[in-house]
This record gives sequence, C-alpha cells and structure tokens, in this order.
Amino acid sequence: DAGVTQSPTHLIKTRGQQVTLRCSPKSGHDTVSWYQQALGQGPQFIFQYYEEEERQRGNFPDRFSGHQFPNYSSELNVNALLLGDSALYLCASSLIGRGDTGELFFGEGSRLTVL
Amino acid sequence: AQRVTQPEKLLSVFKGAPVELKCNYSYSGSPELFWYVQYSRQRLQLLLRHISRESIKGFTADLNKGETSFHLKKPFAQEEDSAMYYCALKNGNYGQNFVFGPGTRLSVLP
Repeated sequence: DAGVTQSPTHLIKTRGQQVTLRCSPKSGHDTVSWYQQALGQGPQFIFQYYEEEERQRGNFPDRFSGHQFPNYSSELNVNALLLGDSALYLCASSLIGRGDTGELFFGEGSRLTVL
Repeated sequence: AQRVTQPEKLLSVFKGAPVELKCNYSYSGSPELFWYVQYSRQRLQLLLRHISRESIKGFTADLNKGETSFHLKKPFAQEEDSAMYYCALKNGNYGQNFVFGPGTRLSVLP
C-alpha cells in the first residue's frame, strides 16, 4: 500500500494563473481533506470531501475549490493565484463511520510557489 | 474560536534528559486532541491521541481540561526523537477538520 499519494510534488506558477493538485487516498479510505501549510506554520484546514461532496470547509475564499471522484481520489483547484498562496498543500485521508479512528493519513504534499 | 498554541518553536535537550512539549488549546465543546510528528524526510503521522491514553515510543500526553493543556512528555529523550511535533485539536465531532498548532522542533543532542 503506497499510502496517500500526491502530484505534482513541486510546481511554480505566476500570479493570476490557476493550479490543480491531485491526491489518491490510502487504500480503503473514503474521505479526503486538504490542508495548506505556510512556511513555519502548522497545517490549516481547507476542506473535506466525502461521497463526492464538500462536507466541511475552513476559512478559505471561493478561489479554492475541489472535487472528489468515484474512486475517492480528489483534486484541489486554486484560481487567480496570489503570492500568498505559496505553500505546501497536504492531502489527508481517513475512513468515516465505524472505521473512523480520528487519525489522518497524510501525503508528502505538493509545494506550490507563486511568482 | 478554536485555537491551538505551542509556545516553543525550538526545544533542545540532551539525550537521556526529560522532555516536555507544551500545547494549549481553546475550544468550546469537549476537546479531542492529538499529537502528530514529522521526522526528517518523512510525512506527517499520528503519534498519539488523548482518547486512547496510550504511550507511544515512550511519549505520553494527559489532557488537562482545567488548564486547557495537552503537553507531550517523555522521561528520557533519544536522538531519534528529533523531529517536528504538532499538537492538533479535532474541530467538531465529525470529519477531518483539525486545528493544528504551529509546531515545535525538538532537537535531541548527543
């Protein structure tokens, strides 16, 4: 089991562009959440997807959107990029319901640099 | 608002010395707290959760609701404990909405 996988690992964009980040959850997991981790800070919750719907959302603008596919994989889209969007974007998966231990399994992240 | 604070950005101790990483939280409901760790060149992973009351790699953490704290302790630090430690609060009873602290880097010196 490869665990949570994310792509790409690094990318560079310019202000105003759009970016799509991808995540495959750990085998057997049905829920994906996305976190933004700025340099020197802890991860900050963006949103969570379960059953292909956004279930919870943190304090992020509508420029941040996502999607979950029937195979539970997920995408994070950010439009109209700002310099402040430069960060490490982490995907985490878990199992909702009776199998939920409350534990998050993280990917290695996608490092986005906005110039 | 839900918040997690970790007052120390960096904590250095010698091998064999006790270590305590501080964590304080603010939360209006019944808190569910976790410690996550990130070793060098590895991904963020769960170390322990307060509900299970377990000791992992010699670490323990006790939830003190009166002081709103969840400090992580180990009586004898090892060099392999050097890592970044994040205290995290589960925000609500459902889902994966966690509030993370800023993290403390633990450096165990030989």
